[in-house]
Amino acid sequence: DGGITQSPKYLFRKEGQNVTLSCEQNLNHDAMYWYRQDPGQGLRLIYYSQIVNDFQKGDIAEGYSVSREKKESFPLTVTSAQKNPTAFYLCASSAEEGGTNEKLFFGSGTQLSVL
Amino acid sequence: AQSVAQPEDQVNVAEGNPLTVKCTYSVSGNPYLFWYVQYPNRGLQFLLKYITGDNLVKGSYGFEAEFNKSQTSFHLKKPSALVSDSALYFCAVREAGRRALTFGSGTRLQVQP
Repeated sequence: DGGITQSPKYLFRKEGQNVTLSCEQNLNHDAMYWYRQDPGQGLRLIYYSQIVNDFQKGDIAEGYSVSREKKESFPLTVTSAQKNPTAFYLCASSAEEGGTNEKLFFGSGTQLSVL
Repeated sequence: AQSVAQPEDQVNVAEGNPLTVKCTYSVSGNPYLFWYVQYPNRGLQFLLKYITGDNLVKGSYGFEAEFNKSQTSFHLKKPSALVSDSALYFCAVREAGRRALTFGSGTRLQVQP
């Protein structure tokens, strides 16, 4: 089945620790995105990538880092600089911008909590 | 800057009654507007979008949305609600030239049997 796979489903971070969230897609999409979801605040954009080896900061990039070495993969690292990391993290991809097929496909998310 | 507002945190409706979930937006230029739905502990699923053309857009699961340029609104509607429609609904906007969507804060729809 084509889709987006996020892992792990649940992740716990100790203070001062960096953790990495995995996102893999087999939809052959060029664009990939990371959103953070907090209750009552909707989704906020962390980073996005339009093409391999290129990515841009979103609205809340501080304390996060990403890489895009392969088209299929867009991992997100939550660094120790992110002081409030507890949230639900969603990865998404899209094939076409501005056309009739433009839409985001989302993974099932990773819930990150601080120990 | 692009932004979107969903003024209602929760909407309650009885099964079989029509439902409306409100959304207003702010962009420079022409908007690309979307509705997504999120079921518990899941990612978001695409419902419908407005790019250009007819102001009434039809989408998945019997939902539709009405684009109103003068009121900068894109309200989600359904003629007859089902209990299974209960979920969290997000409106999103992208203005031409921008690369990513901005989402609203979400509206929880509760359909009572």
